[in-house]
Amino acid sequence: NAGVMQNPRHLVRRRGQEARLRCSPMKGHSHVYWYRQLPEEGLKFMVYLQKENIIDESGMPKERFSAEFPKEGPSILRIQQVVRGDSAAYFCASSPEGTDNSPLHFGNGTRLTVT
Amino acid sequence: AQSVTQPDIHITVSEGASLELRCNYSYGATPYLFWYVQSPGQGLQLLLKYFSGDTLVQGIKGFEAEFKRSQSSFNLRKPSVHWSDAAEYFCAVGADYKLSFGAGTTVTVRA
Repeated sequence: NAGVMQNPRHLVRRRGQEARLRCSPMKGHSHVYWYRQLPEEGLKFMVYLQKENIIDESGMPKERFSAEFPKEGPSILRIQQVVRGDSAAYFCASSPEGTDNSPLHFGNGTRLTVT
Repeated sequence: AQSVTQPDIHITVSEGASLELRCNYSYGATPYLFWYVQSPGQGLQLLLKYFSGDTLVQGIKGFEAEFKRSQSSFNLRKPSVHWSDAAEYFCAVGADYKLSFGAGTTVTVRA
């Protein structure tokens, strides 16, 4: 019974390139959340998606960042024209329900380094 | 607005000694509170959660936490620490589907 799967584990990009982070939720989970952890900080909520729908993207930067969760396949967090400040650990979480009573199950994260 | 404060950035404890990690929260209603642990290079694992009811919550790995509404606190405790408990610990408060995390407390265990 696999948990939340994220890939790649580590990603190095040069400034101006694009970064694509993938997340496959736990089996039976239809709600996906992306969080970002900057160095020496706690995780910050970015976006909440259900299949084919963005429910809340209030934590996403307005430019260069986008997320999707298609009907088939993993959720994708896309960062265009990366800058050094995008270097962080990006965690995906999933839950069977999108409520307070449904604890989030986190993946191991993707550590993005922008050079 | 919700927020979480973990006053201790780093704690060092001897193996076998007790451990207490502090967490204070700000939230407008009855909070949903969580403690997560993150081992190096790993994701977050849920230790325990509080939604309602008994204010003393038991979790995995021998951890417990006590919710004190009057102090807006949700401190994590373990009576006897093992070397494998060395990790970073995050307190979080949830609203709807979002969690707000504290900055974390790094625990070092010395032999």
